[in-house]
Amino acid sequence: GAGVSQSPRYKVAKRGQDVALRCDPISGHVSLFWYQQALGQGPEFLTYFQNEAQLDKSGLPSDRFFAERPEGSVSTLKIQRTQQEDSAVYLCASSLVLPPLGGFGGYTFGSGTRLTVV
Amino acid sequence: GESVGLHLPTLSVQEGDNSIINCAYSNSASDYFIWYKQESGKGPQFIIDIRSNMDKRQGQRVTVLLNKTVKHLSLQIAATQPGDSAVYFCAENKSGGSNYKLTFGKGTLLTVNP
Repeated sequence: GAGVSQSPRYKVAKRGQDVALRCDPISGHVSLFWYQQALGQGPEFLTYFQNEAQLDKSGLPSDRFFAERPEGSVSTLKIQRTQQEDSAVYLCASSLVLPPLGGFGGYTFGSGTRLTVV
Repeated sequence: GESVGLHLPTLSVQEGDNSIINCAYSNSASDYFIWYKQESGKGPQFIIDIRSNMDKRQGQRVTVLLNKTVKHLSLQIAATQPGDSAVYFCAENKSGGSNYKLTFGKGTLLTVNP
């Protein structure tokens, strides 16, 4: 596709429910990133994939958060036993090459999934 | 600590005026600084970036200035238009092992009045 696609756009989960958020990166993009954006804040890094390899998961808030990219294209961010503090917009970004080679113009964000835990 | 922050949370300007959005950073090791625009319900959209070895870079209607002496970054938007209304974030990228990671500030809400 022309851009990074995320689904669903909105998700309401009851506390304790598991959720799965999907990211379709731009075709051919090797690098894929997940960020969490709390209301009124800037995005915060969660995890990074290069192809199917998860090279950095240092930003994942707890072991309830899990991300995968099994075939090196689509990625899923899974949150188990959701809690109210998980409410945020989850952003996915992809890049053809690893930044900052060539700068950040090709580091493209999707529109995000807004997760509300009630 | 390492942080990227903004001086003003909101900025209101008249259409046609120039806008200046400011950002302070604390990490001298940052190699790239990037400005993003985020409209409601959308992800951050790249505007312009600047490497730490530069002090000015211009794009279409935008200019980024970097002052490493005082660790200050600014985004100037010329002839601001209603379509420029959005939240603007500065972000930094540190060279080295985790050079793929962006650290964002809190953002400035720009409102353009017609």
